[in-house]
Amino acid sequence: KAGVTQTPRYLIKTRGQQVTLSCSPISGHRSVSWYQQTPGQGLQFLFEYFSETQRNKGNFPGRFSGRQFSNSRSEMNVSTLELGDSALYLCASSLSITANNEQFFGPGTRLTVL
Amino acid sequence: LAKTTQPISMDSYEGQEVNITCSHNNIATNDYITWYQQFPSQGPRFIIQGYKTKVTNEVASLFIPADRKSSTLSLPRVSLSDTAVYYCLVGDRYNAGNMLTFGGGTRLMVKP
Repeated sequence: KAGVTQTPRYLIKTRGQQVTLSCSPISGHRSVSWYQQTPGQGLQFLFEYFSETQRNKGNFPGRFSGRQFSNSRSEMNVSTLELGDSALYLCASSLSITANNEQFFGPGTRLTVL
Repeated sequence: LAKTTQPISMDSYEGQEVNITCSHNNIATNDYITWYQQFPSQGPRFIIQGYKTKVTNEVASLFIPADRKSSTLSLPRVSLSDTAVYYCLVGDRYNAGNMLTFGGGTRLMVKP
């Protein structure tokens, strides 16, 4: 079974631009979560989607948004990019949202903001 | 969500058993304990999860005492490829959904 895929793998943008990242979960998985990883802040939860609905949202500004499509694929968007948005953005999928559900992470998208 | 405390780093040698302990004093009744492994520039990978007592799978064991205020990840006979960051997470997966709260993790260095 194919794992979680994220596109693009690497991205370079300049301040003020916007960016859209894509995540395709494992086939059959309905939950997709997004995380930001930076050397200073570590791994931080952005948001989670299940059946096209946002279930949880982390403590990030409104410039960060996301959505999930009917095929469970998800996108996240960051508008008005800032230098501090440079990070590895990770997507994780799982079958559902019940307790002890294992999450599978993708390889991430490395975003560099210049 | 319960806060976790782990050692920042640990060193070991190939073939040794490594035990990484995580403290989670404020763990709630419905919380599960999960460990992830992360290599540089890769997403975290699930290792093991448990609620109480002992859980074992093909790669690790997880020991949880009766009070559940701590847990110990045990890696038998580590190899160089086990060099990675290990994260302990505690949370109620159902109520919190898939919102995982990662702490600082433990950077394990396995030496030849």
